[in-house]
Amino acid sequence: GAGVSQSPSNKVTEKGKDVELRCDPISGHTALYWYRQSLGQGLEFLIYFQGNSAPDKSGLPSDRFSAERTGGSVSTLTIQRTQQEDSAVYLCASSLAPDLQGSKPQHFGDGTRLSIL
Amino acid sequence: KNQVEQSPQSLIILEGKNCTLQCNYTVSPFSNLRWYKQDTGRGPVSLTIMTFSENTKSNGRYTATLDADTKQSSLHITASQLSDSASYICVVSSGTYKYIFGTGTRLKVLA
Repeated sequence: GAGVSQSPSNKVTEKGKDVELRCDPISGHTALYWYRQSLGQGLEFLIYFQGNSAPDKSGLPSDRFSAERTGGSVSTLTIQRTQQEDSAVYLCASSLAPDLQGSKPQHFGDGTRLSIL
Repeated sequence: KNQVEQSPQSLIILEGKNCTLQCNYTVSPFSNLRWYKQDTGRGPVSLTIMTFSENTKSNGRYTATLDADTKQSSLHITASQLSDSASYICVVSSGTYKYIFGTGTRLKVLA
C-alpha cells in the first residue's frame, strides 16, 4: 500500500513479557517517528529517526524501551518486561526529510493498540 | 514549558451546522501549526499546515486561521457532515522534527 503500515494492529500480552511493534513507512520517507497515545492524552513523542540513525531518543520512557531502523525503512519498537502502564496506542509516522521549518507533513499509520494484562 | 491547549474538549452539533475549534499555544521557537483529523481507531490525517506568515488556509469545508501575535489558531468547519465526527488535533512545530500535540477536541455530529 501507499500509506504507513503498522503491525500488529492489536496486541494483548501479560505483564512482564516482551513485545515488538513494527512500522513500514512510506517508500522514500527518510524521517520516521514513534509516538504513544494514551486515553485522553496528546501524542507523546518517543523517538525520531533520520535514515537509520536516531538523533533524538529523549522521549523513550525508560530503558525497557528501544527502537531500531534498518535499511532506512522498516522500524521496530521493542518494549521489554512490559508493565500495565505501557498500555496505549503506539503510532508511527513518516515524512520526507525535515527542513529547518519542520514543514513536511507527517503521515501516520493506524497504530498498534497494546494492552498489558 | 511548550504547551498546546485546545477547547472545547468535546462538542456535539447537528448535521449541517458550522462549528469552530480553538487552539492556544505557548511554543518557542515557532515553525508552523497543523490541524489533524483523527477518526476513531485510525491515525491522524493532516488537514492544514500554516507557517508564521499565513493567516488562513482552507481545505474544502475546513478553514484554519492563525494569529501568531496572540498565539491562537482556530479550525472552522462549515456545513458539518456525519463524517466530520472525529477528534481534531492541533500540533505546533518548534523546528525540524519537534512537534507538540494538543489533547484534541472530540466532535460528534448528529443527524
